[in-house]
Amino acid sequence: NAGVTQTPKFQVLKTGQSMTLQCAQDMNHEYMSWYRQDPGMGLRLIHYSVGAGITDQGEVPNGYNVSRSTTEDFPLRLLSAAPSQTSVYFCASGVAGVIAGELFFGEGSRLTVL
Amino acid sequence: LAKTTQPISMDSYEGQEVNITCSHNNIATNDYITWYQQFPSQGPRFIIQGYKTKVTNEVASLFIPADRKSSTLSLPRVSLSDTAVYYCLVGGNNNAGNMLTFGGGTRLMVKP
Repeated sequence: NAGVTQTPKFQVLKTGQSMTLQCAQDMNHEYMSWYRQDPGMGLRLIHYSVGAGITDQGEVPNGYNVSRSTTEDFPLRLLSAAPSQTSVYFCASGVAGVIAGELFFGEGSRLTVL
Repeated sequence: LAKTTQPISMDSYEGQEVNITCSHNNIATNDYITWYQQFPSQGPRFIIQGYKTKVTNEVASLFIPADRKSSTLSLPRVSLSDTAVYYCLVGGNNNAGNMLTFGGGTRLMVKP
């Protein structure tokens, strides 16, 4: 059971480039989300999804797009990378519903934008 | 959104009990309180969740007073491996329109 898998683990981009961070889970979770964590800081919610075809904005959605075409996958797209997007990105999944229970996190994707 | 406030950092020694308090004055009726642990270069890991009174599992206890405006995570007899950042998260369901947001966390340092 792989849990939540994020790829790539490390990425270096130049300003203006675009890329996609991949996130896949094999637990049949309806809920998936993306957080970013800047050095020494807490996690900030970027986007989340409560099921295939449903996405919503979090606290810091600007500069990012998401889609949810399947239950398993929730890719995060950086449209035009900026140095301010240098961060560690975490994908999380969980059961959607009345009680927000345990979130399962991936190992993170470390992104540097030059 | 129920905003949370935690101490930025705490120090302790091996074998001691550690209590980390989180304030959430505007917690909603449907909100649960969840605590996560994060080690460097890893994603957060679920520790415990509760709604009211006391919850205990194999690693921690969670104390929630009747007014639910705060909660305390209790770690019994900490070891060096408990050095981590601990996050308090307050939220109800995670359906559309309900965000799960983390606060700044408490950095716990356990010393020998």
